[in-house]
Amino acid sequence: AQSVTQLGSHVSVSEGALVLLRCNYSSSVPPYLFWYVQYPNQGLQLLLKYTSAATLVKGINGFEAEFKKSETSFHLTKPSAHMSDAAEYFCAVSGARRALTFGSGTRLQVQP
Amino acid sequence: DAGVIQSPRHEVTEMGQEVTLRCKPISGHDYLFWYRQTMMRGLELLIYFNNNVPIDDSGMPEDRFSAKMPNASFSTLKIQPSEPRDSAVYFCASSLYAVVGQDTGELFFGEGSRLTVL
Repeated sequence: AQSVTQLGSHVSVSEGALVLLRCNYSSSVPPYLFWYVQYPNQGLQLLLKYTSAATLVKGINGFEAEFKKSETSFHLTKPSAHMSDAAEYFCAVSGARRALTFGSGTRLQVQP
Repeated sequence: DAGVIQSPRHEVTEMGQEVTLRCKPISGHDYLFWYRQTMMRGLELLIYFNNNVPIDDSGMPEDRFSAKMPNASFSTLKIQPSEPRDSAVYFCASSLYAVVGQDTGELFFGEGSRLTVL
């Protein structure tokens, strides 16, 4: 069985501030981990993915995430928030089965 | 590539009516997934197919829901009869797992079908 927990359903940051969105996972097999972003009235778009090649993963739009097995975490960060980063972010895990299991999502607000 | 294409984008219907949602996956992808998104339950996997064969339908809420994939380029999700609690955004996604050693599980999503059942 696999699951993800996203801490914080809403996160608000100022433009230019650090973005940190938290994700913890549970998986009975070595996981593949993903972060997706969803803009209003759109589908989900892949930000980045961890596939065991490197623990620090860089994605699109300046986002990155670090896989920490000891902490079962895969937190998403961006050094400097931009207004266009306002969206909902989903962490997801893929284990033994092909389908992804998604977390409940974190809505990021960016204040000017 | 055109990406995953879903239709209709919006559907408003009355309780008891039949609803059919359609999906065209990315050409060459061998897996197709149906997810449902609601405020209360988030993103839930309903069913997924591999090479047009249903693999796991344990997420289908009840017998009112059915899904088919008659060929590699088309899938439907049908609700009959529909109920207000079925109101949600339904997403179709596809992926490719054809290459051993490059199985990363990335899903490509359509823009969703927003269903409102009155």
